[in-house]
Amino acid sequence: DGGITQSPKYLFRKEGQNVTLSCEQNLNHDAMYWYRQDPGQGLRLIYYSQIVNDFQKGDIAEGYSVSREKKESFPLTVTSAQKNPTAFYLCASSMQDGFNYGYTFGSGTRLTVV
Amino acid sequence: SQKIEQNSEALNIQEGKTATLTCNYTNYSPAYLQWYRQDPGRGPVFLLLIRENEKEKRKERLKVTFDTTLKQSLFHITASQPADSATYLCALGEWTGANNLFFGTGTRLTVIP
Repeated sequence: DGGITQSPKYLFRKEGQNVTLSCEQNLNHDAMYWYRQDPGQGLRLIYYSQIVNDFQKGDIAEGYSVSREKKESFPLTVTSAQKNPTAFYLCASSMQDGFNYGYTFGSGTRLTVV
Repeated sequence: SQKIEQNSEALNIQEGKTATLTCNYTNYSPAYLQWYRQDPGRGPVFLLLIRENEKEKRKERLKVTFDTTLKQSLFHITASQPADSATYLCALGEWTGANNLFFGTGTRLTVIP
């Protein structure tokens, strides 16, 4: 069963701590994305990657880092530099660009700072 | 500034009626527009894609229109059912900007039995 898996579902971070959110897909999609969703706001793009070993900053990349060492995996690290990390994080993938294909989203990770 | 506005934050309709959701955009030049459904605590699910040169797309009980003159997309669900209750998101992509999809804040639809 093809899909995109995010883990963990819930994550708690202490002040000053880095945490890594996992995203794995077995859809053979080239492109992968990380979005952040806050109440009352649209999804905002953090980072995206169109091919292995290459990724681009989105609109709100500050305080985040990513890697794309394998086609299937696109982990997101929320660093201590991110001052307001509490949010719902969504990973997505697509065949190529959105002109021809919709995105497939994971079920999300809810990050809370404690 | 750039904005994507979806009509009301919440829309309630009676079962069996047609739900119409609106997506208006400002200061974008979209090449395409997508609609997604999102249930609470879940990721969005892709529903329909319409390109700038297309006026209308249909899929089962769903219909989307795209008017680049009005800078608006309408999303219709005919013969609505309680199971259609969810938040619906519109998202647009431009010719420039690679793979960045810009999302509206969504409309929460409730279909009343």
